[in-house]
Amino acid sequence: GAVVSQHPSRVICKSGTSVKIECRSLDFQATTMFWYRQFPKKSLMLMATSNEGSKATYEQGVEKDKFLINHASLTLSTLTVTSAHPEDSSFYICSARSPISENTEAFFGQGTRLTVV
Amino acid sequence: DAKTTQPPSMDCAEGRAANLPCNHSTISGNEYVYWYRQIHSQGPQYIIHGLKNNETNEMASLIITEDRKSSTLILPHATLRDTAVYYCIVRPPSGSARQLTFGSGTQLTVLP
Repeated sequence: GAVVSQHPSRVICKSGTSVKIECRSLDFQATTMFWYRQFPKKSLMLMATSNEGSKATYEQGVEKDKFLINHASLTLSTLTVTSAHPEDSSFYICSARSPISENTEAFFGQGTRLTVV
Repeated sequence: DAKTTQPPSMDCAEGRAANLPCNHSTISGNEYVYWYRQIHSQGPQYIIHGLKNNETNEMASLIITEDRKSSTLILPHATLRDTAVYYCIVRPPSGSARQLTFGSGTQLTVLP
């Protein structure tokens, strides 16, 4: 089946630095990808919708200047956490759905555990 | 998307069937029922989805009531590796640009 690959799987960074997370669809072209964030013992919360060739759509309360999303190709979306702070420590997950048919399942990356120290 | 209600947690003995309920009483006629699971520190994994008819695949069976207001995910022979949070989601087939909205899910613990 279709696979979504996310990299890195875990990263530790210092406060004030930026971290880039990559999300790739390996065997299908994804015009739309989604970025989620998950805090411990909580469910996934949608952060933004990444659209190939256009600006991302952010959910209410998510700072677009802090969480930069670039979807420059049909197989790659990146999320950059800028000027990271300890409260940005979380599990970040991307997903994409093959556009072949409307009711196909979404595929998720393996997630990125970000720890800001 | 229609709201779903699931029990927060369930236990199941290894080798027995795990039956996970989901209530979606406000589901619309064109909304599908999807099930995903999330093993600790991994991304969600698709399990199964359906519209009206019961569905079965290599992972599980999905039983949808005739009025479609509830469904049950059945893992026929649960193993320890099935311990995960199981999410029931309903959404319309409106194309690839619709995200999935996750509720709290059910933490299934398979006991040895």
